[in-house]
Amino acid sequence: SQTIHQWPATLVQPVGSPLSLECTVEGTSNPNLYWYRQAAGRGLQLLFYSVGIGQISSEVPQNLSASRPQDRQFILSSKKLLLSDSGFYLCAWRPENTEAFFGQGTRLTVV
Amino acid sequence: AQKVTQAQTEISVVEKEDVTLDCVYETRDTTYYLFWYKQPPSGELVFLIRRNSFDEQNEISGRYSWNFQKSTSSFNFTITASQVVDSAVYFCALSEAMGNNRLAFGKGNQVVVIP
Repeated sequence: SQTIHQWPATLVQPVGSPLSLECTVEGTSNPNLYWYRQAAGRGLQLLFYSVGIGQISSEVPQNLSASRPQDRQFILSSKKLLLSDSGFYLCAWRPENTEAFFGQGTRLTVV
Repeated sequence: AQKVTQAQTEISVVEKEDVTLDCVYETRDTTYYLFWYKQPPSGELVFLIRRNSFDEQNEISGRYSWNFQKSTSSFNFTITASQVVDSAVYFCALSEAMGNNRLAFGKGNQVVVIP
């Protein structure tokens, strides 16, 4: 069966520090992968999605970037975190035209 | 471009009351998929239902029911006889079949069930 791993679960980082969140999927190949952010008390904002290795679609211009170095690996990065980057980050994978399956999320606090 | 609107931000109901969550979507595609997810306080997203644009049958699953109306571009969700465990944020989402698999969510409805 397919599983999705996302880590770490919580993270506290100072302003200006770099960020790397990793998401990996097991048990499937060529999944569609997504990064979402949920600010406190708000909805799910789509940040990036990827339909294949090296193919990244960016939704909102911001301080973040994403990469897909391997088929089942999706990385969210920042060179210098801002206070506004705080939030709950969710990775998801999705077979073609079906529901998405989400990781457990990373709660990021930038201080 | 696809868009999902969930107008009600927070809804409070007394236990055993029914609650209906509205979802209105916009798409230029004729083939698309609609979803509802539940996010309990623990934060994980739990899939509830998927509906494709060619299937307008309403669906009932236990205390949950969904009403899909293409004519009004709505996919509403009703919880019957609400329970405290139903307290969560509920998200509606849309994916266009030809939209490169972009999956967009509404802002969510925070449901608070008061015992």
